[in-house]
Amino acid sequence: GAVVSQHPSRVICKSGTSVKIECRSLDFQATTMFWYRQFPKQSLMLMATSNEGSKATYEQGVEKDKFLINHASLTLSTLTVTSAHPEDSSFYICSARDSSPAGDHHLSTDTQYFGPGTRLTVL
Amino acid sequence: QKEVEQDPGPLSVPEGAIVSLNCTYSNSAFQYFMWYRQYSRKGPELLMYTYSSGNKEDGRFTAQVDKSSKYISLFIRDSQPSDSATYLCAMSLYNNDMRFGAGTRLTVKP
Repeated sequence: GAVVSQHPSRVICKSGTSVKIECRSLDFQATTMFWYRQFPKQSLMLMATSNEGSKATYEQGVEKDKFLINHASLTLSTLTVTSAHPEDSSFYICSARDSSPAGDHHLSTDTQYFGPGTRLTVL
Repeated sequence: QKEVEQDPGPLSVPEGAIVSLNCTYSNSAFQYFMWYRQYSRKGPELLMYTYSSGNKEDGRFTAQVDKSSKYISLFIRDSQPSDSATYLCAMSLYNNDMRFGAGTRLTVKP
């Protein structure tokens, strides 16, 4: 249980285009999802917190108009990188928080589970 | 000072060795402490989860939290080549906005 998928796993696009990345919780409901980016050999940096049915909360320094987040359902959040530039090339990872009462109690409720990541390359 | 400090390594050990991975942190309010394993080009996988201080054991893995020293550890016993990965510590106040360490790259040699 507690599987999070991301699509696509890899995308290459031209500068100036927009790219949408999907994050899905496959076997649990997630009222909260998180978007991170990770540069090579560096740690994960939280970009924004996505809440189902409401606006996302962005970390300081993250442009909300450039990184559009939509959390339309309890199992799906999308991140759209608008007008992508080469400096946006990175590994984007989402996580979903299992806040359901019947969550994976082997670990804990409210535990975050990560997707496999999406590697974005902007040419 | 970073909120979470973690030696990036790399750390190389022979198969069967005991591995000790550590993180220090500055925010004494952190309550939730996690260790994630990340294979190359993959998303992090939760290994251990601890609330507040104490030890937690799961198979070959033991997590320790010392809040008085603001220091957490992950021990791997009888390390295997399949344990070769980057290990990330993470911590948070309300299990919401986690702060990650830089990750330690571990290689277990056969």
